[in-house]
Amino acid sequence: DADVTQTPRNRITKTGKRIMLECSQTKGHDRMYWYRQDPGLGLRLIYYSFDVKDINKGEISDGYSVSRQAQAKFSLSLESAIPNQTALYFCATSDLSGRVEQFFGPGTRLTVL
Amino acid sequence: DQQVKQNSPSLSVQEGRISILNCDYTNSMFDYFLWYKKYPAEGPTFLISISSIKDKNEDGRFTVFLNKSAKHLSLHIVPSQPGDSAVYFCAASADNYGQNFVFGPGTRLSVLP
Repeated sequence: DADVTQTPRNRITKTGKRIMLECSQTKGHDRMYWYRQDPGLGLRLIYYSFDVKDINKGEISDGYSVSRQAQAKFSLSLESAIPNQTALYFCATSDLSGRVEQFFGPGTRLTVL
Repeated sequence: DQQVKQNSPSLSVQEGRISILNCDYTNSMFDYFLWYKKYPAEGPTFLISISSIKDKNEDGRFTVFLNKSAKHLSLHIVPSQPGDSAVYFCAASADNYGQNFVFGPGTRLSVLP
């Protein structure tokens, strides 16, 4: 089984709808992240969390919110989706030692019509 | 303005030859760099890293070179194999906890049999 899972894998929705993307991990890592990938722009950090009680904004947090329900679960919400939020979304985890690699989920492709 | 640039969107190399992927950065505070590889429909996976206290790091067929004065790093793959065909992302960090990586836009490598 995959260490970092994301649901759903694909989602098409309409402008104005509320959407939640979910991420679960079995790696036992404390740190979790949400990124979005757009063509030609690489991955950009939306939010990150160092533990259940810690939530931090990333580079592009406007229009998004997150919830860290447990060490293993980190969800991303779009309260009112807009077309320019159409992108590929990745969840990632890393452990407490800091400068080590992040482990990514398979991604969620979101299309907002 | 992008702080991490990968100016070649794509690269084609013959199997067995050397692949060289380049990355340039503008922020002189970056001191830790990673390369990730991404296959279609999968999340990025860590490949190799380098700290600014080094100018070279090697792992099997993969070597990363860092030129701090030029703010340039490169990933060498020798010999290239068809399974290396993927998108390669360069990422850089300036903080001690490594949670805020800035990613480049990626280079698509095609290794031709």
